[in-house]
Amino acid sequence: DTEVTQTPKHLVMGMTNKKSLKCEQHMGHRAMYWYKQKAKKPPELMFVYSYEKLSINESVPSRFSPECPNSSLLNLHLHALQPEDSALYLCASSNSGTGGIGTQYFGPGTRLTVL
Amino acid sequence: EDQVTQSPEALRLQEGESSSLNCSYTVSGLRGLFWYRQDPGKGPEFLFTLYSAGEEKEKERLKATLTKKESFLHITAPKPEDSATYLCAVQALDTGNQFYFGTGTSLTVIP
Repeated sequence: DTEVTQTPKHLVMGMTNKKSLKCEQHMGHRAMYWYKQKAKKPPELMFVYSYEKLSINESVPSRFSPECPNSSLLNLHLHALQPEDSALYLCASSNSGTGGIGTQYFGPGTRLTVL
Repeated sequence: EDQVTQSPEALRLQEGESSSLNCSYTVSGLRGLFWYRQDPGKGPEFLFTLYSAGEEKEKERLKATLTKKESFLHITAPKPEDSATYLCAVQALDTGNQFYFGTGTSLTVIP
């Protein structure tokens, strides 16, 4: 089973709202990722957690706050977003810990619209 | 600088018309090259992982090959359901578990 689940599928929020995106995997993977994808562009890496510790933060604005409560769960907390943050947010996991070869398996994504 | 380039940007094929997609990469050392298929509004679906030059992998109408500088995704006798964006990603030896993605090839197969 190579399933990564994400909730919600769709989210519409105002610029003053606080919301969270959730991601879950039960493959025993030790690395989890958040990506942002705009239309007709490749996924753009935001954060990487390795063994539940934040290992990469690609200069993402502080209005995005990641959290990894345990090895199966990954959250992305959203606050005071801008309309340009509207995008497809993808979660992925891989069985590489700190740099080993690891195929990334992606979830279905959350379509976020910021009004 | 590590780079991944895919060509063509878009490809229209008649059903049954075989073709190839290209992924060229420049990295200091290749740990793995990955092909994904992505349908509009959905997450990328894993297709293949290639590790070393000369390696080939097949799945139904798709075959992926790897050289020291590029990878090809060959599509044999495509069907309309093969229409999607195909993404190539590279993991380099010196960048941990980070992927570099190409910009993708948008494939349309016409019945």
